Amino acid sequence: DTAVSQTPKYLVTQMGNDKSIKCEQNLGHDTMYWYKQDSKKFLKIMFSYNNKELIINETVPNRFSPKSPDKAHLNLHINSLELGDSAVYFCASTLKQGTEAFFGQGTRLTVV
Amino acid sequence: DAKTTQPPSMDCAEGRAANLPCNHSTISGNEYVYWYRQIHSQGPQYIIHGLKNNETNEMASLIITEDRKSSTLILPHATLRDTAVYYCIVSPDDSGGYQKVTFGTGTKLQVIP
Repeated sequence: DTAVSQTPKYLVTQMGNDKSIKCEQNLGHDTMYWYKQDSKKFLKIMFSYNNKELIINETVPNRFSPKSPDKAHLNLHINSLELGDSAVYFCASTLKQGTEAFFGQGTRLTVV
Repeated sequence: DAKTTQPPSMDCAEGRAANLPCNHSTISGNEYVYWYRQIHSQGPQYIIHGLKNNETNEMASLIITEDRKSSTLILPHATLRDTAVYYCIVSPDDSGGYQKVTFGTGTKLQVIP
């Protein structure tokens, strides 16, 4: 079983559309994260949730809205997609802050 | 957050030990040193972590200096599959605080046949 799974793996969409990326972890972890890796390969944290509660919100446009229906899921919804949103988005989870993080395989988003 | 400094790239001959350095001079007493790697465009993979003592697992060894201001990740017998970007990060222990885990630019290790 995959520990942290993201869907879809690839997403191509037009500017202005709204899209969602789903993430699920079956590890029983308390904390989940979204990271963005742009073309320069820099991994930047976007959000972190602990037991469905938002604990980290970096300077991310409010077009990005994370949603955590339960502690095993952290979905990322993006409104009004822009060209600059093209990147690989990684979901991750940890048991507690500061412990080993498990990452999903990423979602490559391309906005055209 | 404590910042880390790593060389941007390194080469290593296949079968030889790869020694990847990391400076973390502003690390605080309750912060662990973690190493992750990212192979091509896959998700980052945990390798090892430590606080003060040297650590070893099936993947690698971690050597932390006594003053904790720097560390070295050692891959004892590098293979071509170890070609990846290696990230050294510092992160607090389970203190109940919520601090972000921040990746730097890492070291791109190229294992050469």
